[in-house]
Amino acid sequence: GAGVSQTPSNKVTEKGKYVELRCDPISGHTALYWYRQSLGQGPEFLIYFQGTGAADDSGLPNDRFFAVRPEGSVSTLKIQRTERGDSAVYLCASSLWGGMNTEAFFGQGTRLTVV
Amino acid sequence: AQSVTQPDIHITVSEGASLELRCNYSYGATPYLFWYVQSPGQGLQLLLKYFSGDTLVQGIKGFEAEFKRSQSSFNLRKPSVHWSDAAEYFCAVGALGGNKLVFGAGTILRVKS
Repeated sequence: GAGVSQTPSNKVTEKGKYVELRCDPISGHTALYWYRQSLGQGPEFLIYFQGTGAADDSGLPNDRFFAVRPEGSVSTLKIQRTERGDSAVYLCASSLWGGMNTEAFFGQGTRLTVV
Repeated sequence: AQSVTQPDIHITVSEGASLELRCNYSYGATPYLFWYVQSPGQGLQLLLKYFSGDTLVQGIKGFEAEFKRSQSSFNLRKPSVHWSDAAEYFCAVGALGGNKLVFGAGTILRVKS
């Protein structure tokens, strides 16, 4: 596609449920990032993939959060036992390769609401 | 660790007036600095970036920013604001050799006609 696509655009789930958020990066981009944007805040880094491997997962808040990118393209962010504090917009970005010198293109995000 | 402060949560300017959005960063080495814009329903869009060289950088949509090392600042400017510039603006910093951006909390720009 022309840009980074994230699905669903909105997700409402009950506290304690499991959710998966999907990111389709720009074709050919080897680097993929997940960020979380809480209300009134800037995006916060969660995890960075280079190819299929998670090169930096230092931003994942706890072990309820996990992300995969099995074929080096589509990525899924998985959240177990959701809590109300997980409510936020989850942003995905991709770039041709990693590092600061290549532009990261962001998707429109998935708004997750935990009720 | 890096951090970014955007002191103004909201700014309102008249259409046609000049604009300056403030950004201060904290980082021990030469930073990579970015400005992004986020319009409702849109993804973050890169306006401009600074890596090295000329401290005044030009971006898209008529925006520019100036890196001032002595003040740890990277303020965004535009000489004449258009109503379509109403959006939220984020300053971000990255580290040499790093892969993640640290964002400020954002500044919401309102444009009045």
